[in-house]
Amino acid sequence: QSVLTQPPSASGTPGQRVTISCSGSSSNIGSNYVYWYQQLPGTAPKLLIYRSNQRPSGVPDRFSGSKSGTSASLAISGLRSEDEADYYCAAWDDSLSGRVFGGGTKLTVL
Amino acid sequence: QVQLVQSGAEVRKPGTSVKVSCKASGYTFTTYSMHWVRQAPGQRLEWMGWINAGDGNTKHSQKFQGRVAITRDTSASTAYMELSSLTSEDTAIYYCARDNGVYDDYWGQGTLVTVSS
Repeated sequence: QSVLTQPPSASGTPGQRVTISCSGSSSNIGSNYVYWYQQLPGTAPKLLIYRSNQRPSGVPDRFSGSKSGTSASLAISGLRSEDEADYYCAAWDDSLSGRVFGGGTKLTVL
Repeated sequence: QVQLVQSGAEVRKPGTSVKVSCKASGYTFTTYSMHWVRQAPGQRLEWMGWINAGDGNTKHSQKFQGRVAITRDTSASTAYMELSSLTSEDTAIYYCARDNGVYDDYWGQGTLVTVSS
């Protein structure tokens, strides 16, 4: 069972805005930054968001992150077919003294 | 350009060990830390630990304490992850990822480790 909880699936149509949630606790999201990764089938994860709401260079501004209390969200606007992938949230957990990941959300573009 | 090239797929029997390498190029190896993350088939990502390539200090996930060893060879610009006492539950793709001090910006291509009798 993952320390961080994500919905197993999400979907949207091209052009829509979708959000993916990530729920944690005071020992992880509540006191540390959140990171979001995109994983296309058969490839290594790619970082989309760091420090809860920052984008690395090269990541489109269609992707945005937010955090409130012990929860975080990833929003994808202007949905495209190439956004169909698995998305994972991650954070440092002070109690476990290690990084923890969510269970992943499979995004389907209808 | 930065590249992390991992060793090839491995097959091991239960109870044995495996050592996966991650050769870095395109940057000063000792300036960055390296994470190890694994992913069992169809499962979530799982952080195993990391190493400061400069001073060799490591931190491991509590789940793998006593069973994982993360090391590096600065002369070869290579990081290693060795996992012992393998079981079928260790069948997974193992990734290395460079940490630039703020986030992990480059990932290796992954190494499939299969544990089967």
